[in-house]
Amino acid sequence: DTAVSQTPKYLVTQMGNDKSIKCEQNLGHDTMYWYKQDSKKFLKIMFSYNNKELIINETVPNRFSPKSPDKAHLNLHINSLELGDSAVYFCASSQGGARGWNEQFFGPGTRLTVL
Amino acid sequence: QKEVEQDPGPLSVPEGAIVSLNCTYSNSAFQYFMWYRQYSRKGPELLMYTYSSGNKEDGRFTAQVDKSSKYISLFIRDSQPSDSATYLCAMIYRSSNTGKLIFGQGTTLQVKP
Repeated sequence: DTAVSQTPKYLVTQMGNDKSIKCEQNLGHDTMYWYKQDSKKFLKIMFSYNNKELIINETVPNRFSPKSPDKAHLNLHINSLELGDSAVYFCASSQGGARGWNEQFFGPGTRLTVL
Repeated sequence: QKEVEQDPGPLSVPEGAIVSLNCTYSNSAFQYFMWYRQYSRKGPELLMYTYSSGNKEDGRFTAQVDKSSKYISLFIRDSQPSDSATYLCAMIYRSSNTGKLIFGQGTTLQVKP
């Protein structure tokens, strides 16, 4: 299946822990994104990479660190997890996303719960 | 004030009804306008997009953009229970060189059989 995939789908962890979420796309796209969706369904961009180069870095705590080992992968590492980090995190990809608009394809999401 | 405002609902309608979903925005620099549909526990998927004022139709769905009023709408005709989902409007600035989407909060729609 051609798609954007994320692992894990669910993540339950204690405050203060460090965790990672992985994203892979096999669509051949050159741009990947991380979004956070809060409990009110508000979806907000966090980061974007184009050809492994960081092009969007929103006002996100530096506890969040994205890493793109290649064009097909974009991982998100979160240090010292806090209660407010509980949300659904979506990965997305597009082709040629650096200018104008190109359709973004979203993954199924990772539901993070911090206890 | 958010850049894009969308009534979160929930909106409940009987099957067969015409549904109207709306977003307003404050910055006239937005150029591209999209509607995404998100089923429960799934990722958003693109439903329609447009970049000019006027109407765009695709089956039972019509997207409408009024740039002078800074207002966009999505109409669903003959609504079906399978249309029950959250609908998110999204926009991109004319000058964007990052592809950054600005989303509305999403409207939750329930179509009752």
